Amino acid sequence: DQQVKQNSPSLSVQEGRISILNCDYTNSMFDYFLWYKKYPAEGPTFLISISSIKDKNEDGRFTVFLNKSAKHLSLHIVPSQPGDSAVYFCAASAVGGTSYGKLTFGQGTILTVHP
Amino acid sequence: KAGVTQTPRYLIKTRGQQVTLSCSPISGHRSVSWYQQTPGQGLQFLFEYFSETQRNKGNFPGRFSGRQFSNSRSEMNVSTLELGDSALYLCASSFSGYEQYFGPGTRLTVT
Repeated sequence: DQQVKQNSPSLSVQEGRISILNCDYTNSMFDYFLWYKKYPAEGPTFLISISSIKDKNEDGRFTVFLNKSAKHLSLHIVPSQPGDSAVYFCAASAVGGTSYGKLTFGQGTILTVHP
Repeated sequence: KAGVTQTPRYLIKTRGQQVTLSCSPISGHRSVSWYQQTPGQGLQFLFEYFSETQRNKGNFPGRFSGRQFSNSRSEMNVSTLELGDSALYLCASSFSGYEQYFGPGTRLTVT
């Protein structure tokens, strides 16, 4: 039962263009969503997050959009840079109870930005 | 602030042995979560500790255990290692419980 899905295993983008990474979830109890970037043999690096009370959050080149009715979120990177090439994970968290400290991750999308 | 640190970074063990991994959270963070990353299963939640108490546990066998000390440092232990326990073990710390900051991980290989 995969509650967080990233249906695109990989994405290839030209430097300077927009990268759009997508994520779908099924658990309606999720109320906080995060994006992480990961290089091989390293831990995930936190990029940006969004609470379920918002539909957009922006931080520099990174913007996350949340569509609660569609249970869908996306990460936009503008402009894309070669250094953005990594695996991107979407993660979700539910409030309290049996969800303490638990992030549920998607399978990841490999982003390659070509110079 | 110093980030999350994990020791050791790499470990090779034999089936049947046990292993202890250590995690030091970011200063001020009292929540520590542990995850296992494998190619087949992705990132899976093991357990979470807050103020020395386990508040949440993932769907892993009892061979996987952990603890947290009064200074928020945490350890996880895997007993009777199996080949399938080979993975990257990640520790993450958090102030709020939502935004988690990860360490570099411990790569465990079981032979």
